[in-house]
Amino acid sequence: EVQLLESGGGLVQPGGSLRLSCVASGFTFSTYAMSWVRQAPGTGLEWVSGHSVHSGATFYSNPVKGRFTMSRDNSKNTLYLQMNSLRVEDTAVYYCAKGNSGGSFNELEYWGQGTLVTVSS
Amino acid sequence: QSVLTQPPSVSAAPGQKVTVSCSGGSSNIGSNLVSWYQQLPGTAPKLLIYANNKRPSGIPDRFSGSKSGTSATLGITGLQTGDEADYYCATWDSSPLTVVFGGGTRLTVL
Repeated sequence: EVQLLESGGGLVQPGGSLRLSCVASGFTFSTYAMSWVRQAPGTGLEWVSGHSVHSGATFYSNPVKGRFTMSRDNSKNTLYLQMNSLRVEDTAVYYCAKGNSGGSFNELEYWGQGTLVTVSS
Repeated sequence: QSVLTQPPSVSAAPGQKVTVSCSGGSSNIGSNLVSWYQQLPGTAPKLLIYANNKRPSGIPDRFSGSKSGTSATLGITGLQTGDEADYYCATWDSSPLTVVFGGGTRLTVL
């Protein structure tokens, strides 16, 4: 059974940093693309970043480019999202999601339960 | 303002059919595959349709997808009260290089 378990969310002041983790199980983590998607309270889904194992490339949405860094440790089956220079508008539930292939970012077949990040003074 | 445009809400009676539209442009829907997600209240999204019209295992054939030009459509037949949820379309946008989601459509089964 595929499972994705996020952690690391919490309350942080504007300008602060947080690192989210997502532990994966039930599939060969190193062979699938992974993404982070967020959802601000009462709003829709927003893709944040994704890593392709086909190309080795990592992509970011414009609002987080230069502030967030996505990485993965295949030996630990873990995905990370390092978030720096956090802004109030980064407040959201952050989901990690598994692509259905090594290069798929928008075909997200499994999702974690999400972790809430609140940026507030 | 989402890159992909969806109606904010749709509604229909139990047993009826409903469609949800998703309109984009040449750099996204026009040149890439479309996915659809269902998000039940308080839960994580679930993949309903990928590659324009394919269903993951376990998704009933009441759900269907299609694409034409720069628009895509999700169809749901035999509506059930359990289908009440938010539905999102998504695709890759070649300029810039990101995934874009629609703003979401809330389905109400009257």
